[in-house]
Amino acid sequence: DGGITQSPKYLFRKEGQNVTLSCEQNLNHDAMYWYRQDPGQGLRLIYYSQIVNDFQKGDIAEGYSVSREKKESFPLTVTSAQKNPTAFYLCASKANTGELFFGEGSRLTVL
Amino acid sequence: AQSVTQLDSQVPVFEEAPVELRCNYSSSVSVYLFWYVQYPNQGLQLLLKYLSGSTLVKGINGFEAEFNKSQTSFHLRKPSVHISDTAEYFCAVIRSSNTGKLIFGQGTTLQVKP
Repeated sequence: DGGITQSPKYLFRKEGQNVTLSCEQNLNHDAMYWYRQDPGQGLRLIYYSQIVNDFQKGDIAEGYSVSREKKESFPLTVTSAQKNPTAFYLCASKANTGELFFGEGSRLTVL
Repeated sequence: AQSVTQLDSQVPVFEEAPVELRCNYSSSVSVYLFWYVQYPNQGLQLLLKYLSGSTLVKGINGFEAEFNKSQTSFHLRKPSVHISDTAEYFCAVIRSSNTGKLIFGQGTTLQVKP
């Protein structure tokens, strides 16, 4: 099936640890995005990448890092510098018509 | 720049009643418009989209939306809702040149009551 695959679905982290969320797509889309979602809030853009080997900060990039070494993959690292990392994280890729295709999300909880 | 306003944060409605979720946008250029649905602990799923042509757009699960350029609105409607329609709904806009980012509204929680 074509789509976006995020893993893990649930992740627990101790304070001070870095964690990496995986995002893979087989839709052959150039652009990929990471969003953060908190209860009762909308989507906030963390990072995005328009093409391989290039990415830009979104609205809340502090404490996060990304890489885009392959078209299919856009992993997100939540670093220890992120003060409040507990959230639901969504990855997406963009089609030529502008619509986004989303993964199922990863829920990160800091213990 | 584009912006999106979803006028209601929560919409309670009884099962089998009609519903309208309101979305207004602002843009100085032509746009594409989208509605997404999100069920608890899941990603967003595309309900419908307006790219061009007929202003009445039909989507999945019996939803439809009407693009009104003069009122800069893209309201989502369903004539009869089910319990299973309970979810978060997001309106989104992007320039029709497909440059830039998709801009999301803050979301509307649809609560369908038995």
